[in-house]
Amino acid sequence: GQNIDQPTEMTATEGAIVQINCTYQTSGFNGLFWYQQHAGEAPTFLSYNVLDGLEEKGRFSSFLSRSKGYSYLLLKELQMKDSASYLCAVRDEAGGSYIPTFGRGTSLIVHP
Amino acid sequence: DTAVSQTPKYLVTQMGNDKSIKCEQNLGHDTMYWYKQDSKKFLKIMFSYNNKELIINETVPNRFSPKSPDKAHLNLHINSLELGDSAVYFCASGSIYGYTFGSGTRLTVV
Repeated sequence: GQNIDQPTEMTATEGAIVQINCTYQTSGFNGLFWYQQHAGEAPTFLSYNVLDGLEEKGRFSSFLSRSKGYSYLLLKELQMKDSASYLCAVRDEAGGSYIPTFGRGTSLIVHP
Repeated sequence: DTAVSQTPKYLVTQMGNDKSIKCEQNLGHDTMYWYKQDSKKFLKIMFSYNNKELIINETVPNRFSPKSPDKAHLNLHINSLELGDSAVYFCASGSIYGYTFGSGTRLTVV
């Protein structure tokens, strides 16, 4: 299985940049995902990394280093609506299953 | 046109009852999942199912069982409900590139 670690809570100011880190341990890495979840809602897909490097999508970017078991989600030009939980998920191919396992999430609070 | 739809959105029931949650996806994905999100917001896999194989998280009690009448549906049946089953249950379907979640079912056992 996986051991996924991310900070429990972060705070940032509107307009700023914030980086949310995720470290993981897995025996058969097959992709890393970031999801956003607002309170009372379903998780929504943000990004997918399977190769090392940076994936950019608008204000959000995600980075992966497979050798270090490390990823981060970078949020630029923060808006109040970015206040949410951010979930790091790792897919493992060990045993022939390809099930994404989620970390406990990072609660981001954006204040004016 | 909702990609992954699950019903009901809210379910309040008494201990010992049997209940079902329905899930349907129109994305053409081969694999569907059930996750449980507890009060601490931890999203935990319960089942993974495609038309070939059911993978069960060994920590899930056998009171929980998935039923798939066809590729587009994966329903969750729960027998003899307990207080600790209260949580939000999410259905999802996925491809190699990502996963789409339903809106969730908040189950409250009283």
